[in-house]
Amino acid sequence: GAGVSQSPRYKVAKRGQDVALRCDPISGHVSLFWYQQALGQGPEFLTYFQNEAQLDKSGLPSDRFFAERPEGSVSTLKIQRTQQEDSAVYLCASSLEAGWSNQPQHFGDGTRLSIL
Amino acid sequence: KNEVEQSPQNLTAQEGEFITINCSYSVGISALHWLQQHPGGGIVSLFMLSSGKKKHGRLIATINIQEKHSSLHITASHPRDSAVYICAVRFSDSKLTFGKGITLSVRP
Repeated sequence: GAGVSQSPRYKVAKRGQDVALRCDPISGHVSLFWYQQALGQGPEFLTYFQNEAQLDKSGLPSDRFFAERPEGSVSTLKIQRTQQEDSAVYLCASSLEAGWSNQPQHFGDGTRLSIL
Repeated sequence: KNEVEQSPQNLTAQEGEFITINCSYSVGISALHWLQQHPGGGIVSLFMLSSGKKKHGRLIATINIQEKHSSLHITASHPRDSAVYICAVRFSDSKLTFGKGITLSVRP
């Protein structure tokens, strides 16, 4: 497809389970971002990849959160031992160029995660 | 502290009205983005600007660097404009910092 694709669209898990969220960026886009959006709030930065390199993971809220992009295209955000406060929409975005240059970010539709 | 504030939080308008959504930020920035988010979560980038004014169709975005303020204007509003409008800025730490968004409802 032409846009950023995220899967699954919805995920329900029990507290304590591990989850994995997938992001397929636009083909050829160098930069990939993950954001967390709590209900009624704006998105908050989690982590940034330039190709396969994770250059910034300062927004990951705890060591239960782990992200990877091993071949510089598809990325996976993994949350271990999920907690109720992890319930949120997880957004992925990609952009054509490297770095934090002033360029548009293209967003996916997000994965809505609910922890019971 | 790098902060982004949007006002009003919720906005209701009648179809055809001229709408203004505001965004203010705390310190100097390198760029400001206006984003549109529909129910279901998908976000569309409307504008990216660092100075002056941009126009696309019925949408106009302006920024005043000295006053640390930006506005998004919608002319001849339509029910399909109903969405959450989010302002995001790039501060010196380079990450995008997002406002909470404004929920706009345009009634037919």
